[in-house]
Amino acid sequence: SQKIEQNSEALNIQEGKTATLTCNYTNYSPAYLQWYRQDPGRGPVFLLLIRENEKEKRKERLKVTFDTTLKQSLFHITASQPADSATYLCALGPTGGNNRKLIWGLGTSLAVNP
Amino acid sequence: EPEVTQTPSHQVTQMGQEVILRCVPISNHLYFYWYRQILGQKVEFLVSFYNNEISEKSEIFDDQFSVERPDGSNFTLKIRSTKLEDSAMYFCAITFFGGAQFFGPGTRLTVL
Repeated sequence: SQKIEQNSEALNIQEGKTATLTCNYTNYSPAYLQWYRQDPGRGPVFLLLIRENEKEKRKERLKVTFDTTLKQSLFHITASQPADSATYLCALGPTGGNNRKLIWGLGTSLAVNP
Repeated sequence: EPEVTQTPSHQVTQMGQEVILRCVPISNHLYFYWYRQILGQKVEFLVSFYNNEISEKSEIFDDQFSVERPDGSNFTLKIRSTKLEDSAMYFCAITFFGGAQFFGPGTRLTVL
């Protein structure tokens, strides 16, 4: 069955450093891989989407890489700030056509200390 | 960024009762989705809805669940006979184009 794994342990980093989060997946060939932010008690917020034919995508302080051979994505937040503290979710999909659902990882909790 | 509102924000119900969760997208869109998230667990896909029809559903979305768009605007999720294990956050999401999905704030359902 399809499986998505993210760093299970919480990540604690110092303000100003780069946070790197990992998403690994098996038994799946997504057309897209997405990253979302989730704060406690709130809905996921879309951050970045990367397509299977793209290696890297950037948006402001965020960078995502996608290696379909390794079946892995790395998510980087540079110059991290305490406001970046949240849970970051990796989601695979859609695969195309009418199959537009997202399959989710459990998320990695990030704490940025001032 | 498109806006999605959900009502109620918190619903408490007795086991066996019916609940209706509502989603109101602010602008036009193509796809609606319902997801749920049990406390401390992954977000789980329930159902997608396109052109006033279910386009895909998960194994969680059994006969106890139904979706409707009763007035062309609101999008509802109905659970006919709630169970304790239905307690979760329920999120509505929409897509404009591409793959990105935009989520509402969620409804916390507590089944006693």
